[in-house]
Amino acid sequence: GENVEQHPSTLSVQEGDSAVIKCTYSDSASNYFPWYKQELGKRPQLIIDIRSNVGEKKDQRIAVTLNKTAKHFSLHITETQPEDSAVYFCAASRDSNYQLIWGAGTKLIIKP
Amino acid sequence: ETGVTQTPRHLVMGMTNKKSLKCEQHLGHNAMYWYKQSAKKPLELMFVYSLEERVENNSVPSRFSPECPNSSHLFLHLHTLQPEDSALYLCASSQEISGQGVYEQYFGPGTRLTVT
Repeated sequence: GENVEQHPSTLSVQEGDSAVIKCTYSDSASNYFPWYKQELGKRPQLIIDIRSNVGEKKDQRIAVTLNKTAKHFSLHITETQPEDSAVYFCAASRDSNYQLIWGAGTKLIIKP
Repeated sequence: ETGVTQTPRHLVMGMTNKKSLKCEQHLGHNAMYWYKQSAKKPLELMFVYSLEERVENNSVPSRFSPECPNSSHLFLHLHTLQPEDSALYLCASSQEISGQGVYEQYFGPGTRLTVT
């Protein structure tokens, strides 16, 4: 069946450094790729998303890149700050299906 | 109350009990979802009600029964649960437009369920 693999499961970076989380997907018809952030004890919230008609999207310190040929997409966080500590989930979907296929999550730890 | 709300926030129940989880969205959305979140499977989709159609995850046991009386309310009826059903149950909603793809899902705060 369709699946999304997410790596790494845990990522520890020094405050101020960059963090990169990668996801690969199996369904070549997927065309929507969101990233959600879940802080400890809180609900998941969308932080950025990308559709397959673009290769990169930026929003301040976060960016997402998409490689449709290789079927992978990545989340990039620059100049990491303590408030970036959270679990990040990637997901994939296609227009004809309202369901998101979720990655297993990455726990990002920002070391002071 | 704004956004997506869930009640109760915490629930402890025995294996022979029957209880219900409630979700309400105040966003005017037309799709609602139940997710199970546990250490084993961080975000597991259980049920989707989209454009008034129910879509099921075939791996969900029959002891979980969803109900969606209208586009703003969603229930999850629980009976004869097992200890492994202990988890955080998250509700979400989104606005779906037929043929135009998936949009942002807004999550509720979740119900922390403990089955004893």
